[in-house]
Amino acid sequence: SQTIHQWPATLVQPVGSPLSLECTVEGTSNPNLYWYRQAAGRGLQLLFYSVGIGQISSEVPQNLSASRPQDRQFILSSKKLLLSDSGFYLCAWSGGAPNSPLHFGNGTRLTVT
Amino acid sequence: AQKVTQAQTEISVVEKEDVTLDCVYETRDTTYYLFWYKQPPSGELVFLIRRNSFDEQNEISGRYSWNFQKSTSSFNFTITASQVVDSAVYFCALSEARGKLIFGQGTELSVKP
Repeated sequence: SQTIHQWPATLVQPVGSPLSLECTVEGTSNPNLYWYRQAAGRGLQLLFYSVGIGQISSEVPQNLSASRPQDRQFILSSKKLLLSDSGFYLCAWSGGAPNSPLHFGNGTRLTVT
Repeated sequence: AQKVTQAQTEISVVEKEDVTLDCVYETRDTTYYLFWYKQPPSGELVFLIRRNSFDEQNEISGRYSWNFQKSTSSFNFTITASQVVDSAVYFCALSEARGKLIFGQGTELSVKP
């Protein structure tokens, strides 16, 4: 069966420090991969999605970037964190078809101080 | 543009009451997919159901039921005989042909004993 791993679970980082969140999927090949952010207001905002290795689409201009160095690995990064980057970050994967549900990881709660 | 509206920000009920969570969507696509997700306090999003735009048959799964009406662009979710374990934030989402998932703002359901 497919599983998705996301780490760390919580992270406290000072403003201006770098960020690297990692997500890996097991049990499936060539998944679509996604990074969402959930701010305090609860809405889920799509940050990045990827349909293949090295293929990244950015949904909103921001201080973050994403990379997909391997088929089942998706990394969210920042060179210098801002206070506004605080939030709950969720990685997800899907089978790629429009009717494929997204399956989410447990999320990373990031607090920028 | 695609949009999902969950007008109910918070709902509070007493255990064993029935509760309906509303979802209204907007899309120009003739083929689309609708989803409901549950986010318990632990944070992970759990997939509940998927509905295709060409299938308006309502669905029941245990205490959960979903009412899809294309005429009113609604996809409402009813929990019958609610339980404390149903307390969570529930998200409605829309997937267009390209496969990206657009989420509503969520409805926080609190079921009190």
